[in-house]
Amino acid sequence: KQEVTQIPAALSVPEGENLVLNCSFTDSAIYNLQWFRQDPGKGLTSLLLIQSSQREQTSGRLNASLDKSSGRSTLYIAASQPGDSATYLCAVVSNDYKLSFGAGTTVTVRA
Amino acid sequence: GAGVSQSPSNKVTEKGKDVELRCDPISGHTALYWYRQSLGQGLEFLIYFQGNSAPDKSGLPSDRFSAERTGGSVSTLTIQRTQQEDSAVYLCASSGVRAYNSPLHFGNGTRLTVT
Repeated sequence: KQEVTQIPAALSVPEGENLVLNCSFTDSAIYNLQWFRQDPGKGLTSLLLIQSSQREQTSGRLNASLDKSSGRSTLYIAASQPGDSATYLCAVVSNDYKLSFGAGTTVTVRA
Repeated sequence: GAGVSQSPSNKVTEKGKDVELRCDPISGHTALYWYRQSLGQGLEFLIYFQGNSAPDKSGLPSDRFSAERTGGSVSTLTIQRTQQEDSAVYLCASSGVRAYNSPLHFGNGTRLTVT
């Protein structure tokens, strides 16, 4: 069974600092890994999708890397802003097509 | 609408009653997932529909839970004889083909409270 772990569970940084969020998974047989953002009381918004054959994806200030063999992904958010405050979740799609989610990292960016 | 729509947004019900939760996926999306998110917990997979294939029901926690998808579009999650432990946010998501090559789009969820 795929297990997804996110560290740290919570993170508080001053505005302008870069954010580094970590995700690890136990089974490297995956199709892709996705990063999501969840605001309080809302659903999840897809941020980045990395196919298993890719090593990174970038969108604006966001960059996600994937090391499938070691079961790790890292989400970098450059020059954080208060609007980046949210919970960030990673999810892996395993070969049985199921998404397995981590518990998330709750980020607070202080103005 | 452009996104995944779920209704109702909030539902309060008494223990023992049945509830139905509805999900309207993005038009044309063939994959549809139901997840449950309990307070302070991660997302728990419930059920997965892909086109006309038999659904993957392996995440349903008990036989009180069932789901159907009519015409490959709208889906309904039904919980019979609700229990307090069923209280959670139920999230629906859809994707273009299969989730292995397209991102998931989530609705805002239905917050279910069983009293």
